[in-house]
Amino acid sequence: GEDVEQSLFLSVREGDSSVINCTYTDSSSTYLYWYKQEPGAGLQLLTYIFSNMDMKQDQRLTVLLNKKDKHLSLRIADTQTGDSAIYFCAESIPPPRNTGNQFYFGTGTSLTVIP
Amino acid sequence: NAGVTQTPKFQVLKTGQSMTLQCAQDMNHEYMSWYRQDPGMGLRLIHYSVGAGITDQGEVPNGYNVSRSTTEDFPLRLLSAAPSQTSVYFCASSPLFGELFFGEGSRLTVL
Repeated sequence: GEDVEQSLFLSVREGDSSVINCTYTDSSSTYLYWYKQEPGAGLQLLTYIFSNMDMKQDQRLTVLLNKKDKHLSLRIADTQTGDSAIYFCAESIPPPRNTGNQFYFGTGTSLTVIP
Repeated sequence: NAGVTQTPKFQVLKTGQSMTLQCAQDMNHEYMSWYRQDPGMGLRLIHYSVGAGITDQGEVPNGYNVSRSTTEDFPLRLLSAAPSQTSVYFCASSPLFGELFFGEGSRLTVL
């Protein structure tokens, strides 16, 4: 599969900003996604960015994409204890046979918010 | 709005037993897939399907079988469970080109 890499752990204090980083290897990605997984639950889509965009902002979330360095980041402003979760970066890549996008996930970053 | 439904949520097996994890979606999605989640490994694709009657292998298919007889259902079969298959399993579906929707997960322990 494709390599999507993330650091495993991040701790921040409540009210600070969190920045979660991700690197990927395939330049043919169409979309890049951030999913959130709360304890004991499945993954929920948090936000996504189309591969021809540099930035996307959605309330407290800012996604930055550096295509040259194949680097994606998720910034959470004013981080709250409810933001504690595992955050997965994922890229979708169109396969040669046009059978639908394939998704490749990073290892996930466990964010701990300290009150 | 059910979305993606997985059963069972928890299962304990003995080595060599077989079982089926069920997955159903009510969104008329063409694409369905099974992932396993292990600590420090992220999500790894086991098998996927782009429509009824069509299945293909993902990154870690050994020890697992799938079938897709209807658009809605995509069961995952473990033929002879091994301790290395202890994991959390997620089913996910999507339109052919779109975001993935995940089930709540099935936690499997093989003794």
